[in-house]
Amino acid sequence: AQSVTQLGSHVSVSEGALVLLRCNYSSSVPPYLFWYVQYPNQGLQLLLKYTSAATLVKGINGFEAEFKKSETSFHLTKPSAHMSDAAEYFCAVRIMEYGNKLVFGAGTILRVKS
Amino acid sequence: KAGVTQTPRYLIKTRGQQVTLSCSPISGHRSVSWYQQTPGQGLQFLFEYFSETQRNKGNFPGRFSGRQFSNSRSEMNVSTLELGDSALYLCASSATGALSNTEAFFGQGTRLTVV
Repeated sequence: AQSVTQLGSHVSVSEGALVLLRCNYSSSVPPYLFWYVQYPNQGLQLLLKYTSAATLVKGINGFEAEFKKSETSFHLTKPSAHMSDAAEYFCAVRIMEYGNKLVFGAGTILRVKS
Repeated sequence: KAGVTQTPRYLIKTRGQQVTLSCSPISGHRSVSWYQQTPGQGLQFLFEYFSETQRNKGNFPGRFSGRQFSNSRSEMNVSTLELGDSALYLCASSATGALSNTEAFFGQGTRLTVV
């Protein structure tokens, strides 16, 4: 069965500090992995996706994620946090055998302190 | 290019009533998926439609149903509403149905409150 675990339901960083949001997946076949961001009362916006072309994936707003098969991880990072990064972040996995169904992690709320 | 449009944005219904939510995908997209988001359960997959056929279904009771029209627009229906159905319902569209690396584009959601 496929699943996604996000470590830490809340993460707090200072403005300008490194952002690290953790995601581990469980899958018996190579997965496709995604990070989405959600602002209050909004839908989900895609930050980046891993599709096996490259293990280090760059996304929008300065975010990037690295796929590590040995660790079954796909952690999201950003070198310098900005106040506008405060939101909820979701890691998701999709496996071809399940069609277009996305399985989401529980989400991590990022707080950025000034 | 217009994004995914969900209507209405907010809805208040009484227990026992039924409700229909609408989703217009991005032009050219043939796959539409629905998700329920609640504080307790997070994001849960409801079902996916592709070319008017339901291709995938989550673990929700039969009170939750959907359909897709020939123009790819989709509707979701919930009958005999329960308090626990209060949630943000999100619709997502994808360009194709076959490629798992295709990203899903989400609408802003419909906030359903059951009283």
